[in-house]
Amino acid sequence: NAGVTQTPKFQVLKTGQSMTLQCAQDMNHEYMSWYRQDPGMGLRLIHYSVGAGITDQGEVPNGYNVSRSTTEDFPLRLLSAAPSQTSVYFCASSRGTSRYNEQFFGPGTRLTVL
Amino acid sequence: DQQVKQNSPSLSVQEGRISILNCDYTNSMFDYFLWYKKYPAEGPTFLISISSIKDKNEDGRFTVFLNKSAKHLSLHIVPSQPGDSAVYFCAASGSNAGGTSYGKLTFGQGTILTVHP
Repeated sequence: NAGVTQTPKFQVLKTGQSMTLQCAQDMNHEYMSWYRQDPGMGLRLIHYSVGAGITDQGEVPNGYNVSRSTTEDFPLRLLSAAPSQTSVYFCASSRGTSRYNEQFFGPGTRLTVL
Repeated sequence: DQQVKQNSPSLSVQEGRISILNCDYTNSMFDYFLWYKKYPAEGPTFLISISSIKDKNEDGRFTVFLNKSAKHLSLHIVPSQPGDSAVYFCAASGSNAGGTSYGKLTFGQGTILTVHP
């Protein structure tokens, strides 16, 4: 199993550009989520999904869009990049939707917005 | 408003000694707590957890203590090893009014642990 994979590893954008961060898991996990990590802030939840076709907002959803058309994939779209979105983005998944299920994180995407 | 706080940005200990990482929370609805470990250029990995019905949970060299009245938890690593050098995140979860919270976690800022040989 590859686990949770994220692409790209690094990305530089200009303000106003759009892009999609990819996340895939091969463990048939129901639950997937996106976090961003900023210095001094820990990880903050952006969006999450409890299954294909079902998504919901987390703590910091503004400026981001998600969809879940398959169990395996959970892309994160930046609609119009802003410098405040410079961060490291982590995707995570877990087997069930229970909060007691262990979450597995991908290696992250480091995004810089100029 | 930081609901989970790790007030020590860094901790340095000698190999073989005890490492104690601390975490405080403010939200009374939190009832499940986790510790994650993160190496550079990797995602966080789950280390240990504790439910609010317990005050201690142990797994090998790692023990988590929970003091609900003080809204404080700590992670003890005994004995510390150089391979334990990493960033440690405390995280918390709680049920919402509907009784579901899924896997939504609130993280602390992290503590960088360095274990010297």
